[in-house]
Amino acid sequence: EIVMTQSPATLSVSPGERATLSCRASQSVSSNLAWYQQKPGQAPRLLIYGASTRATGIPARFSGSGSGTEFTLTISSLQSEDFAVYYCQQYNNWPLYTFGQGTKLEIK
Amino acid sequence: EVQLVQSGAEVKKPGESLKISCKGSGYSFTSYWIGWVRQMPGKGLEWMGIIYPGDSDTRYSPSFQGQVTISADKSISTAYLQWSSLKASDTAMYYCARPRYCSSTSCSWFDPWGQGTLVTVSS
Repeated sequence: EIVMTQSPATLSVSPGERATLSCRASQSVSSNLAWYQQKPGQAPRLLIYGASTRATGIPARFSGSGSGTEFTLTISSLQSEDFAVYYCQQYNNWPLYTFGQGTKLEIK
Repeated sequence: EVQLVQSGAEVKKPGESLKISCKGSGYSFTSYWIGWVRQMPGKGLEWMGIIYPGDSDTRYSPSFQGQVTISADKSISTAYLQWSSLKASDTAMYYCARPRYCSSTSCSWFDPWGQGTLVTVSS
């Protein structure tokens, strides 16, 4: 099983600032990496797939990068609606999908 | 519009059985895998398993193999997740989700997701 490790567990950032979230895979997943945003009481929402491609309707302030085992989600200028929990997911080792444990992005 | 609509919240006692559902619409139900994801209270996302309704080919996460059963009824475009004997530790939100696309050998990220079904198991 591929283990996905996200860091930090909690990130405190002020509105308007940049947030950088990390995701590491225990072995290479190529670019088969997605990011999701989850707000309280809601289902996860796809943000990024293929490590760096924004999903339909996702604002340009969200960007993804990386390949192999190291990935980053960057939110360039935090808006109030961006404070949520973020998960990475690898789909390289189908059908054994795995998620990271999540990073909670909170208001500083 | 591709949609997955899940059945409503359930409250059950330990030892009881349960089957929750996920109805797909807006696409060819038999042509796409559908997966299930667990989220325990205050915790992260865990992939449970996935089914191809076209031929009922089913794959399970090793963590959930033997603990749950995934099935589908293609005549009504509905996938199911069921338990034969619930435990308190099955209390969680359960999501169905569909890979965006699949090749002959693998599938992609999940999009869309169902709205979730909350299962509460308590005596």
